[in-house]
Amino acid sequence: DTGVSQDPRHKITKRGQNVTFRCDPISEHNRLYWYRQTLGQGPEFLTYFQNEAQLEKSRLLSDRFSAERPKGSFSTLEIQRTEQGDSAMYLCASSLGGAYTDTQYFGPGTRLTVL
Amino acid sequence: SQQGEEDPQALSIQEGENATMNCSYKTSINNLQWYRQNSGRGLVHLILIRSNEREKHSGRLRVTLDTSKKSSSLLITASRAADTASYFCATAAGNTGKLIFGQGTTLQVKP
Repeated sequence: DTGVSQDPRHKITKRGQNVTFRCDPISEHNRLYWYRQTLGQGPEFLTYFQNEAQLEKSRLLSDRFSAERPKGSFSTLEIQRTEQGDSAMYLCASSLGGAYTDTQYFGPGTRLTVL
Repeated sequence: SQQGEEDPQALSIQEGENATMNCSYKTSINNLQWYRQNSGRGLVHLILIRSNEREKHSGRLRVTLDTSKKSSSLLITASRAADTASYFCATAAGNTGKLIFGQGTTLQVKP
């Protein structure tokens, strides 16, 4: 399968614990995005990478959140000291780039439940 | 924050009928994209329409874009039970390509 993959698909953790999610984009895509989606809402942008450079972060991304994309390949999103409000679906997407025709392809998401 | 609104929030139709969903947005865009999401799953890309296009077709899908009204519509013709899902519009602006999503329309197609 050559689509975007995410791991794990589900994560249940206790409040205060740290969690890390991984995203593997489509191999030739240089852009990578993280979004968060809560129940009944559309996804909200968290952060964006162009190759290995993190070029934009949303205000939603508090200092407990950190994302990396070493070597411009896979990406990780870490949440430290999780809170119940962090419970959501975390979606990763990748794209080739290009302002007017840039299609983002999404992974299946990681559903986080913080108890 | 969400870019705009989708209308209706929920839609229930019989198989074979057409479904129309509308999306409004607030700022200038490079393109507008429609996605489908089955319950608890990832988003599937349906169609992209550029800001200089007015209409686009893909199979049973027809998308229109009116940049003067900052609105778009998605028409699904001859709906099937498998079309049951949530549908989201998303706009892209600026250089990063980040998408700003609406709240979605939940479509139920009854067999």
